[in-house]
Amino acid sequence: QSALTQEASVSGTVGQKVTLSCTGNSNNVGRYEVVWYQQISRASPKTVMFGNSLASGIPGRFSASRSGTTASLTISGLQPEDEADYYCSTWDYSLDGHVVFGGGTKLTVL
Amino acid sequence: QISLKESGPTLIKPTQTLKLTCTFSGFSLSSSGMGVGWIRQPPGKALEWLALIYWDDDTRFSPSLKSRLSISKDTSKNEVVLTMIDVDPGDTATYYCAHRRSTVGVPACFYHWGQGTPVTVSS
Repeated sequence: QSALTQEASVSGTVGQKVTLSCTGNSNNVGRYEVVWYQQISRASPKTVMFGNSLASGIPGRFSASRSGTTASLTISGLQPEDEADYYCSTWDYSLDGHVVFGGGTKLTVL
Repeated sequence: QISLKESGPTLIKPTQTLKLTCTFSGFSLSSSGMGVGWIRQPPGKALEWLALIYWDDDTRFSPSLKSRLSISKDTSKNEVVLTMIDVDPGDTATYYCAHRRSTVGVPACFYHWGQGTPVTVSS
């Protein structure tokens, strides 16, 4: 069981706006910025967003936010190439500090 | 340009010790704020963080695997080694190493990843 909770699957049509969520607690998402990773067809994960910052080479239709113990990744204007697994991750203050990941969301572009 | 590459055995028997090496370029692990982490992904499953070593030799481990893991670095060789003792079939996964980017407010950003190396634990 992952420390951060993500939707198992989300789908949307081309051009649609979709939002993926990542829920944690006061030791992790409630305290630290979240990183979002994209993994296409089980290739190496690629950083999409770190905090509110867009990673290099990532199109501007991606954005992120955080409120309380929930973080969100929004894709405004979904494209076929956005179909992938998305993982959220952050630091957790408990147990001497460690990194936690979500279980991942499979995003399907219909 | 930062790059990382994992190496190690592809097949290992239960109870043996797994040693994986991450060889990197484009940054120095002796520079303040730098770090290298290990993350694994079992077939069909989610990413799981394992360990992290910082430029100052500070280390952090997954609480559930802490007793079986160790991590070390050789800054002269630009290498980080992850050791896992007493492996079992549940440790079968693709193992990634990743560069921890030092960013204010984002303490756990693995910005650059290696290609991953598959490890199968089977007798």
